[in-house]
Amino acid sequence: QVTLRESGPALVKPTETLTLTCTVSGFSLRTSGVSVSWIRQPPGKALEWLARIDWDDDEYYSTSLRTRLTISKDTSKNQVVLTMTNMDPVDTGTYYCARTPSDGDTWFDPWGQGSLVTVSS
Amino acid sequence: SYALTQSPSVSVAPGETARITCGGSSIGSYRVHWYQQKPGQAPVLVLFDDSDRPSGIPERFSGSNSGNTATLTIDRVEAGDEADYYCQVWHTSGPPNWVFGGGTQLTVL
Repeated sequence: QVTLRESGPALVKPTETLTLTCTVSGFSLRTSGVSVSWIRQPPGKALEWLARIDWDDDEYYSTSLRTRLTISKDTSKNQVVLTMTNMDPVDTGTYYCARTPSDGDTWFDPWGQGSLVTVSS
Repeated sequence: SYALTQSPSVSVAPGETARITCGGSSIGSYRVHWYQQKPGQAPVLVLFDDSDRPSGIPERFSGSNSGNTATLTIDRVEAGDEADYYCQVWHTSGPPNWVFGGGTQLTVL
C-alpha cells in the first residue's frame, strides 16, 4: 500500500524558514519515473502546486515561489524534504505531499494527510 | 500564467446528475485530472487523463474535455459525493507547471 506522511512544525514565526518532511512507504524514491510533489492549501482556498522532485533528482518549482523553495530527497530514509524561507502569515495553510506514479503521468495519487502550518508571531 | 476557472458551487438533488466544469484556454489540448476533497481530508484522485477512473472510483464518475472546457459528470448523485472538486492540468508552455482550478463545492440538496 502506497502512503505518504507529512511532518513538520505546526507553528512558525514570520521570516523563519519552514522545513517539512514527507515520509513515503510502499514505493521507492529510486523507482524509475516516480516523483513527489508538494502542494499547499490556505484555509478555505484552492490547491497550489509548489515543487516536485523526480527519481533522478530533477527538480521543478512554482515560478512565483521558486526563490524561496528548495526540495530534496533522502532515498535511504524514503523522505522528501521541502524548505521554504522567509515565511509570512499568507503562507499559512495545509501542506501536502503527493506522488506522481510514473513518467508520463501528470496527476497526483495518492496524497498524504497534510500538515497544517500556521505562520504567526 | 495558465489559469483554470471553476464555478464556485453546484447544487443537485440526490439521484440527479451533477456537472462540474473547468475552463481554460484550449484546455482540450491538455490532459485534465479531477480530485475530490471532503472537509478535513486530503484530496483524492477521481479521474485522470480526462476520463479514466482510478481503481475504486465508481462508474458514476465520468469526464470529457474539448475546446475550452473540461467537465466532470457525476451520475445518480449520492449524499456521500458532497465535497469540493478540483481540476488540474500539467501546463508546459514555459517552465513546467502543475495548475489547479479554484475548486467547485458540490452540495447535495
